Amino acid sequence: GAVVSQHPSRVICKSGTSVKIECRSLDFQATTMFWYRQFPKKSLMLMATSNEGSKATYEQGVEKDKFLINHASLTLSTLTVTSAHPEDSSFYICSARTAGPTGAFFGQGTRLTVV
Amino acid sequence: GENVEQHPSTLSVQEGDSAVIKCTYSDSASNYFPWYKQELGKRPQLIIDIRSNVGEKKDQRIAVTLNKTAKHFSLHITETQPEDSAVYFCAASILSGNKLVFGAGTILRVKS
Repeated sequence: GAVVSQHPSRVICKSGTSVKIECRSLDFQATTMFWYRQFPKKSLMLMATSNEGSKATYEQGVEKDKFLINHASLTLSTLTVTSAHPEDSSFYICSARTAGPTGAFFGQGTRLTVV
Repeated sequence: GENVEQHPSTLSVQEGDSAVIKCTYSDSASNYFPWYKQELGKRPQLIIDIRSNVGEKKDQRIAVTLNKTAKHFSLHITETQPEDSAVYFCAASILSGNKLVFGAGTILRVKS
C-alpha cells in the first residue's frame, strides 16, 4: 500500500509555544490530505481537509486560527498547533487519499503533550 | 452529512471463534466502505474495503458484506487469533477522494 510519513512521532512542548507536524506521502501524490485528532480509546475526529494549493476546510468546532494547515505540494501537508495549551494534548494523525475510490492511508501519528 | 454507527463497542471472543462487527450509514450516496485495524499507539491500517457495486468481498480470514438497501455493512473475522486483538473502525465515503466518516470503533479481544 501507499506510504504516508508523519513527523514528529512524539513532541513535548511548553504551554504557549507552537508545534508543527508534517505529513508526507512518500510514493504517491495525495490530492487530498486529512487531519484527525484521536482521544484515548476514542474514534478519529476529523479536524480539517486540505487540498493542494487551496485553503483547508475545517470541521465545525475546530478553530482555524489555532490549527493552521498548509498543503504546499501534492506530497506535503503541515499542521501547526499555535499557542498550545494542555488541553491540546492529544494524538494527531494525518491521512492521504489519491483521486478515485481508494482508501485513506495514515501517517504514524504524533503524540503531542503540552506541559 | 454522513453518520456512521458501529456496534458493538467491545467484543470478546475465544481464540478460533468468529467475530462480527456491524456498521450502519445514513447517506445512500456513500459508495466506499473501508475497515481499519488500529493497535495501541499505532496508525490505523486498512485491512479490507468494499465498493457499493459489490455485495461481498473476502480476503483470507476477513470478509466484508454490504447491504445497500438497508445501508449497513459488516466485518467478519473467522478463526480469530490473539494478534487480531485491536480496535477496528469502519468508515464510509460519499465521493472518491472525499473525507471518510468513521464509526466509533470496536475493541476486539481474542482470548487464548
